[in-house]
Amino acid sequence: AQSVAQPEDQVNVAEGNPLTVKCTYSVSGNPYLFWYVQYPNRGLQFLLKYITGDNLVKGSYGFEAEFNKSQTSFHLKKPSALVSDSALYFCAVRDGNDYKLSFGAGTTVTVRA
Amino acid sequence: SAVISQKPSRDICQRGTSLTIQCQVDSQVTMMFWYRQQPGQSLTLIATANQGSEATYESGFVIDKFPISRPNLTFSTLTVSNMSPEDSSIYLCSVHEGGFHYGYTFGSGTRLTVV
Repeated sequence: AQSVAQPEDQVNVAEGNPLTVKCTYSVSGNPYLFWYVQYPNRGLQFLLKYITGDNLVKGSYGFEAEFNKSQTSFHLKKPSALVSDSALYFCAVRDGNDYKLSFGAGTTVTVRA
Repeated sequence: SAVISQKPSRDICQRGTSLTIQCQVDSQVTMMFWYRQQPGQSLTLIATANQGSEATYESGFVIDKFPISRPNLTFSTLTVSNMSPEDSSIYLCSVHEGGFHYGYTFGSGTRLTVV
């Protein structure tokens, strides 16, 4: 079985400050990890993924994430947050042996001006 | 990556009726999925839509309530049958792509309200 935990329901940061959204996962095989963002009344937009290779993954809109196998984590980061980054963020994982994605509960990010 | 057109974008339906949601992809894809996102919740996989055969449903979801068609590699429909207010959710289709664009793309969703 596979699962994802996003321990924080909400993250609040000031514009210009670093942003971190936490994600830990559990899979039986090799993990395929994804981050998505959802704006109000919109579908999911892909931010970045880890399949294999470098542990530091760079994605869209200045976001990056670091795969940490020993800690089974895949935290999303942005060095300098923007007000426009305010949205709902989802971490997702699939086991390398299965095409089904499992999603975390989501973290609401609010960036204040 | 694939572009998905999902229709309708939203609807308000009477309880006891059915709604069919369409998902059209601009390229042939092997794997298509349907998700439900209840208000304030995460995404839950309803089923995998299999081309030319019956969909594979997840625990808690049944074909009588959520019949799915997948007539070809670019199109699928999800029907929400005999609706109740508890079915009010956002329904999203998703496709898996391999190769350079490896990953999952999502439709813009259908916001369903049952009254």
